[in-house]
Amino acid sequence: AQSVAQPEDQVNVAEGNPLTVKCTYSVSGNPYLFWYVQYPNRGLQFLLKYITGDNLVKGSYGFEAEFNKSQTSFHLKKPSALVSDSALYFCAVRSTGGGNKLTFGTGTQLKVEL
Amino acid sequence: DGGITQSPKYLFRKEGQNVTLSCEQNLNHDAMYWYRQDPGQGLRLIYYSQIVNDFQKGDIAEGYSVSREKKESFPLTVTSAQKNPTAFYLCASRAGASGYNNEQFFGPGTRLTVL
Repeated sequence: AQSVAQPEDQVNVAEGNPLTVKCTYSVSGNPYLFWYVQYPNRGLQFLLKYITGDNLVKGSYGFEAEFNKSQTSFHLKKPSALVSDSALYFCAVRSTGGGNKLTFGTGTQLKVEL
Repeated sequence: DGGITQSPKYLFRKEGQNVTLSCEQNLNHDAMYWYRQDPGQGLRLIYYSQIVNDFQKGDIAEGYSVSREKKESFPLTVTSAQKNPTAFYLCASRAGASGYNNEQFFGPGTRLTVL
């Protein structure tokens, strides 16, 4: 069984400040982790993924995420938030079984204010 | 939203009716997926298909059916057996055979409302 937890339903941050969106996971074997962003009434857009290698992964739009195996976490970060970053963010973990099934977290609403 | 199209964008259904949601991709991807999104619940997998003429149930398949007769198409039928069908439905596709760690690409979604 695998699972993902996003402990915060909403994160508020001022524009220009750093942001962090938290994600922890549980999976058998090695985890393959993904971050997606969703704007209102749209599909999900891929931001970045961790498969293996460097624990700090860089992705689209200046986002990055840090894989921490001991804490089973994969937090999404950005050094300086923009109002346009306001959206719903999903963390996902890949199944170790067939089909590349992803299990998604419940999402975190990020609100960046002026 | 890449090369994945979903239609219609909005769909209204009367109780007791079956409806079919379209999903087409021109990315030449092998695998395709259907998810249901409800507020506060994230995405839940309905069905997925890794190759043509083959598909598997996801976590919430009851009341839904699919077909995969062509690589580029993966339509989802919401049957009258689905007791709470009002939701946002997302289709996704992924390149490569099972075991590859490629990301999934998502379509723009169809919002289904039961009247």
